[in-house]
Amino acid sequence: QQQVKQSPQSLIVQKGGISIINCAYENTAFDYFPWYQQFPGKGPALLIAIRPDVSEKKEGRFTISFNKSAKQFSLHIMDSQPGDSATYFCAALNSGGYQKVTFGTGTKLQVIP
Amino acid sequence: DAGVTQSPTHLIKTRGQQVTLRCSPISGHKSVSWYQQVLGQGPQFIFQYYEKEERGRGNFPDRFSARQFPNYSSELNVNALLLGDSALYLCASSRTRMSNQPQHFGDGTRLSIL
Repeated sequence: QQQVKQSPQSLIVQKGGISIINCAYENTAFDYFPWYQQFPGKGPALLIAIRPDVSEKKEGRFTISFNKSAKQFSLHIMDSQPGDSATYFCAALNSGGYQKVTFGTGTKLQVIP
Repeated sequence: DAGVTQSPTHLIKTRGQQVTLRCSPISGHKSVSWYQQVLGQGPQFIFQYYEKEERGRGNFPDRFSARQFPNYSSELNVNALLLGDSALYLCASSRTRMSNQPQHFGDGTRLSIL
């Protein structure tokens, strides 16, 4: 059962534009929401993460917005660059005592010059 | 410091065979988790090991097993391979087993079943 829904499946953005990826979850036990970036042939790399008691977190050009009541969160990439072209995964975990990361289905981002 | 290392990088097997994949965590990391990533999908959680004990298990059949050694390295074993086991197998390590600890992923082992 897919517990984290992610959209869009693919995204093309012009250099300098804003990339927006959206995710929704069902399990209210989730209490930690990381985003991962994956380049071809590489493993996922942690980008930024947020807890549900925070509505927004910004690190450099990357911002997570979180809406706890709607059970939705999103990643915004400002001033998108060709080097940002990768697959992005939202994810969720609960504090059940172990690290079971539930990943979304991924968004393939292409930033064109 | 070296990152998470996995071996081999690629592997080709036939149906019914058995395979062992290996993972060395980042120095100082005691938790190792395994994930299966089918092409075009997000990784699916298989196991977490901490201090040589299984701490969590995903929805995978008993053909999948793992263990963690005293040096915190880990092996994933898959028996009676099926075509559907073709995937990228990822290992991730973290300092503790807590859910809010960052997990660092290796680049995976690409397993192809013929």
